[in-house]
Amino acid sequence: GQQLNQSPQSMFIQEGEDVSMNCTSSSIFNTWLWYKQEPGEGPVLLIALYKAGELTSNGRLTAQFGITRKDSFLNISASIPSDVGIYFCAGETSGSRLTFGEGTQLTVNP
Amino acid sequence: DGGITQSPKYLFRKEGQNVTLSCEQNLNHDAMYWYRQDPGQGLRLIYYSQIVNDFQKGDIAEGYSVSREKKESFPLTVTSAQKNPTAFYLCASSTPGQGIDEQYFGPGTRLTVT
Repeated sequence: GQQLNQSPQSMFIQEGEDVSMNCTSSSIFNTWLWYKQEPGEGPVLLIALYKAGELTSNGRLTAQFGITRKDSFLNISASIPSDVGIYFCAGETSGSRLTFGEGTQLTVNP
Repeated sequence: DGGITQSPKYLFRKEGQNVTLSCEQNLNHDAMYWYRQDPGQGLRLIYYSQIVNDFQKGDIAEGYSVSREKKESFPLTVTSAQKNPTAFYLCASSTPGQGIDEQYFGPGTRLTVT
């Protein structure tokens, strides 16, 4: 089946720093989604991308749909303690099924 | 408030017992999904349903069963045939087929089988 390689697996940063994480695949996706999950909760949708090359922002978050349609990145600027959590990328090809990356665990030190 | 409800939040069962996890949505979404999450891992698709009275197996359907008798409800049964049922189970819904593939998740049910 399709696989998404998400990196890094974990990040430890200081408050105020910028963060970048990405997902790559050997498969082409029609849609890229980025989610954040806090401990014991369900993932919350942050950003959805539908066109190759699309760059979308949501507050301090910016995500891009790679031009080859095989990758996407998420940037978080000026991190704050509440940014802590696990960030997942997800790609959709057809039939409404999503393939998820394994997540990036973000820790922000005050 | 519109959203997805999963109950209970925590569930404990003895090995060999079947258990049913509830998922209800009032978002008027056509499609619903069940995922399993193990510690430190991503989400794996168990079953999904794009319309009432129809559902398809996901990547790890063995040992699970579902029904979709109502648009709002998509219960998941973890049977005794599931070899390693202890996990965090997540339900999601979406409105596919309209160029929008965003899945929205419930709060999850943590199942512990001993």
